[in-house]
Amino acid sequence: DQQVKQNSPSLSVQEGRISILNCDYTNSMFDYFLWYKKYPAEGPTFLISISSIKDKNEDGRFTVFLNKSAKHLSLHIVPSQPGDSAVYFCAASDGNEKLTFGTGTRLTIIP
Amino acid sequence: EAGVAQSPRYKIIEKRQSVAFWCNPISGHATLYWYQQILGQGPKLLIQFQNNGVVDDSQLPKDRFSAERLKGVDSTLKIQPAKLEDSAVYLCASSYTSGDTGELFFGEGSRLTVL
Repeated sequence: DQQVKQNSPSLSVQEGRISILNCDYTNSMFDYFLWYKKYPAEGPTFLISISSIKDKNEDGRFTVFLNKSAKHLSLHIVPSQPGDSAVYFCAASDGNEKLTFGTGTRLTIIP
Repeated sequence: EAGVAQSPRYKIIEKRQSVAFWCNPISGHATLYWYQQILGQGPKLLIQFQNNGVVDDSQLPKDRFSAERLKGVDSTLKIQPAKLEDSAVYLCASSYTSGDTGELFFGEGSRLTVL
């Protein structure tokens, strides 16, 4: 049972444009959401997070939006840069200190 | 600050053989996690330690997988005997306290190929 879903395995975006990565979840007990970024042959690194009491969190070029009623969150990157090319994982926590990850979206920024 | 260290980076074994992975978390991090990432999937938690005690091992296949964290610092994950479906990257992660912000720090992973 996939509780965190990233339905787009890959996404290509022109440099300078906006990248939007989407994530859906099914478990209504999830109360904290995170995005991790992963380069090849490296471990995932934390990017940005959002608590369920908020609907938006911004950090520089990265903004995460949460729509609790739709059980949907998205990561916006603007402007997109070549160094943003990586696999992005959405993850969720239900307060039991365990992260459930999605399957990832491979983002490619085209120069 | 040194990151999470893992070894070996790569390991190739035949099915039914055994393998062990080692992890040294970031200094001062009380919580240590082992994740399994199969190709094309997201990381899946195998076991979580708080200091040297097990917090969650519900998804650890205990008939073949074992893990320990003696002295509450470094940890080893063992697979014996290995199956073809164990081919994956084994990621170790640590956090300062158990799930305070959900921010885990991951190592580079140990890639296992079972032939």
